Amino acid sequence: SQQGEEDPQALSIQEGENATMNCSYKTSINNLQWYRQNSGRGLVHLILIRSNEREKHSGRLRVTLDTSKKSSSLLITASRAADTASYFCATGSNFGNEKLTFGTGTRLTIIP
Amino acid sequence: DAGVIQSPRHEVTEMGQEVTLRCKPISGHNSLFWYRQTMMRGLELLIYFNNNVPIDDSGMPEDRFSAKMPNASFSTLKIQPSEPRDSAVYFCASYAGVTYGYTFGSGTRLTVV
Repeated sequence: SQQGEEDPQALSIQEGENATMNCSYKTSINNLQWYRQNSGRGLVHLILIRSNEREKHSGRLRVTLDTSKKSSSLLITASRAADTASYFCATGSNFGNEKLTFGTGTRLTIIP
Repeated sequence: DAGVIQSPRHEVTEMGQEVTLRCKPISGHNSLFWYRQTMMRGLELLIYFNNNVPIDDSGMPEDRFSAKMPNASFSTLKIQPSEPRDSAVYFCASYAGVTYGYTFGSGTRLTVV
């Protein structure tokens, strides 16, 4: 079963604009991670935020976490054509942070 | 490091045949995961191992599926007999600690006809 639900399911923006994707989850978590998947490839880890953190940055990525609302957002600033991919959130439970449950993903298309 | 290596990349087989998917995790990673990805169901965790021991196989769909990890550098996922509904991309991922997340292989695209 899916723990996370990404919103929107698909997003198309012009190159240079910012892209925001949201993730909602259902149960208590230890950490939340974001992954990118290019077409026909495996997932690539982007960034992790722990349950006691509220915001984290990595390059053009900014992740926020609101545990009271059980939601997270991923912001990609100054988007590039190479950012075209599917983005997934994944949650690690409080009962051992090895096992991740992935969301349904957001398909992001950057229009040159 | 070459990353997580999966083989084959593509597999087409007839219904009823046995299929074996292979995975070589990154050296030093203690945990290994098998996921299945389909359009309808997304990414589903099938089974995972910690230090070569199966920890959670609750995602294995039925007895036709089995997985082994005889040593730290090799794992197999076997489907016997295969059915058309098993068609999916199967991913293996290894893990060294929460800070770095999972490292995924490139996947095996399985088509059962």
